Amino acid sequence: QLQLQESGPGLVKPSETLSLTCNVSGGSISSSTYYWGWIRQPPGKGLEWIGSIYYSGSAYYNPSLKSRVTISVDTSKNQFSLKVSSVTAADTAVYYCARRKSRIVGGTTNWFDPWGQGTLVTVSS
Amino acid sequence: QSVLTQPPSVSGAPGQRVTISCTGSSSNIGAGSDVHWYQQLPGTAPKLLIYGNSNRPSGVPDRFSGSESGTSASLAISGLQAEDEADYYCQSYDSSLSVYVFGTGTKVTVL
Repeated sequence: QLQLQESGPGLVKPSETLSLTCNVSGGSISSSTYYWGWIRQPPGKGLEWIGSIYYSGSAYYNPSLKSRVTISVDTSKNQFSLKVSSVTAADTAVYYCARRKSRIVGGTTNWFDPWGQGTLVTVSS
Repeated sequence: QSVLTQPPSVSGAPGQRVTISCTGSSSNIGAGSDVHWYQQLPGTAPKLLIYGNSNRPSGVPDRFSGSESGTSASLAISGLQAEDEADYYCQSYDSSLSVYVFGTGTKVTVL
């Protein structure tokens, strides 16, 4: 059974870089079938897709965050990572990692399953 | 960036049927992008409930069903149970914004 687990600092100072890692267990991140993604949820608010990455390192991002976000993958450790630079209080959120699944039937559709438990990152001095 | 609109809340008595709408536009649902639904129990991560408009993953009760028409989609919960109290989110892909988009979320309350 595939499981994902986020880890990283729970408190980051404004203007600094937020760094999180997602460890994947119960399956290989190098599977050619899946992408891997990051999604965040500010306290009491809705979900926002941040970006996704393939095991080859090919990544794509939410245009609204693209200038500040980098997602990377380490296949030897079966994990992928997120960096968000120049953070502000608006980046305070629970950050989730998830596997992106696809179906190609008359066009491609993608969804996220499963999700990690999430980790709260607070941006504050 | 919630371009998918859901009602903030719906409620129903145990055993009743409730529906949650997800209204999009011609650049997402109306463009043929499938809708997926997630259930988020209090204090937990979202869990996939419906994928590809109307498909249930194994383990999801058949009380949950999804449909899509035009620029909208719906999630129906029949035989409402206390354990169904949660937030529900729809998700699709917006080709104009080039992003995966989520709905505004709906809180289901069992009376």
